[in-house]
Amino acid sequence: ETGVTQSPTHLIKTRGQQVTLRCSSQSGHNTVSWYQQALGQGPQFIFQYYREEENGRGNFPPRFSGLQFPNYSSELNVNALELDDSALYLCASSLTLNTNEQFFGPGTRLTVL
Amino acid sequence: QKEVEQDPGPLSVPEGAIVSLNCTYSNSAFQYFMWYRQYSRKGPELLMYTYSSGNKEDGRFTAQVDKSSKYISLFIRDSQPSDSATYLCAIHGSSNTGKLIFGQGTTLQVKP
Repeated sequence: ETGVTQSPTHLIKTRGQQVTLRCSSQSGHNTVSWYQQALGQGPQFIFQYYREEENGRGNFPPRFSGLQFPNYSSELNVNALELDDSALYLCASSLTLNTNEQFFGPGTRLTVL
Repeated sequence: QKEVEQDPGPLSVPEGAIVSLNCTYSNSAFQYFMWYRQYSRKGPELLMYTYSSGNKEDGRFTAQVDKSSKYISLFIRDSQPSDSATYLCAIHGSSNTGKLIFGQGTTLQVKP
């Protein structure tokens, strides 16, 4: 059984650019959540996807968007990058929508210059 | 007021000490409580998951929930240098989504 994987590991972008981050769920999991973790802070919920549909969103602007694919892998897209978007982006999968336990990937560290 | 409050530390203890990590929360409707461990530059790892008030034990780790006080704790017995990490409490904040609300995290260092 493979765990949650994310790519790339690190990414450097400049302000105004767009970025796509990728996540593969743990085997058998159909629900994916994305979190942003600023340095020294706890993760903040961005949104959740269940069976390719968004199911809940945190306090993030529309330039943060996502996709979930039929194989339950997922993407996080961020447009018009700002300096404050520099953070560790974490993907977490859970067995299904009503499962509270979430298992995190190693994260993608995004630096915006 | 933040929904979940956690003292960021840092907390430094000698090897073998008992460690107590704590969080408070504001919404009495919260029902599911988790503790994650996060090593530097890694993703959080689920340690403990509890639903009701009371204690839950797993090896050297004990999670405690007091819903009347809206207070959750994680105790680590016989702490080891390998326990040095950031510990995050997390609460399932919504019955409709999988949104977890995290505390700020407490950084723990266990010195040999």
